[in-house]
Amino acid sequence: DAGITQSPRYKITETGRQVTLMCHQTWSHSYMFWYRQDLGHGLRLIYYSAAADITDKGEVPDGYVVSRSKTENFPLTLESATRSQTSVYFCAGSLGLDQPQHFGDGTRLSIL
Amino acid sequence: TQLLEQSPQFLSIQEGENLTVYCNSSSVFSSLQWYRQEPGEGPVLLVTVVTGGEVKKLKRLTFQFGDARKDSSLHITAAQPGDTGLYLCAGAGNTPLVFGKGTRLSVIA
Repeated sequence: DAGITQSPRYKITETGRQVTLMCHQTWSHSYMFWYRQDLGHGLRLIYYSAAADITDKGEVPDGYVVSRSKTENFPLTLESATRSQTSVYFCAGSLGLDQPQHFGDGTRLSIL
Repeated sequence: TQLLEQSPQFLSIQEGENLTVYCNSSSVFSSLQWYRQEPGEGPVLLVTVVTGGEVKKLKRLTFQFGDARKDSSLHITAAQPGDTGLYLCAGAGNTPLVFGKGTRLSVIA
């Protein structure tokens, strides 16, 4: 039972490039979330989705794009990567907005 | 904007000692969740407290929700090296979870 699977686990890219982080769930969570985690800032919500084709901005959405054409997938795209987007990215799923979240193991993204 | 303040930010203790971690807010939450995160992994839920004044125990860990549902504490008795990690609290309501910045605990054998 993999739960939430993120790929890749590690990624190095250059400024200006487009990069997509993948998130796949094997459960039937309605809600899915994307966070970035940085020292001194904790977990910050980027985008979330209540269902297929329904997405909402979180605290730090600028520079990111999400889509959710299928319930089980919630990719996060950095359209033109910047150094400030170097971070560890976590995807999570839950049964409701106020319910406990199940997290993936994260993607460590470095932008040179 | 709802905020959750966790204290202390860092804690380094010897094996066998007791400790308490705090999670405070000026906002009321319908419930509060505690997570533990280990290096290279995502946070994992430890417990959810729902009722004001509620106390939940998980082996050596005791979680308490404040009477006014604005704050919570986590007490660890006789800490062990396996307790090392980042402890996060998260407040729930009618918005996405509000996470504190965490308490990084190191238990030295």
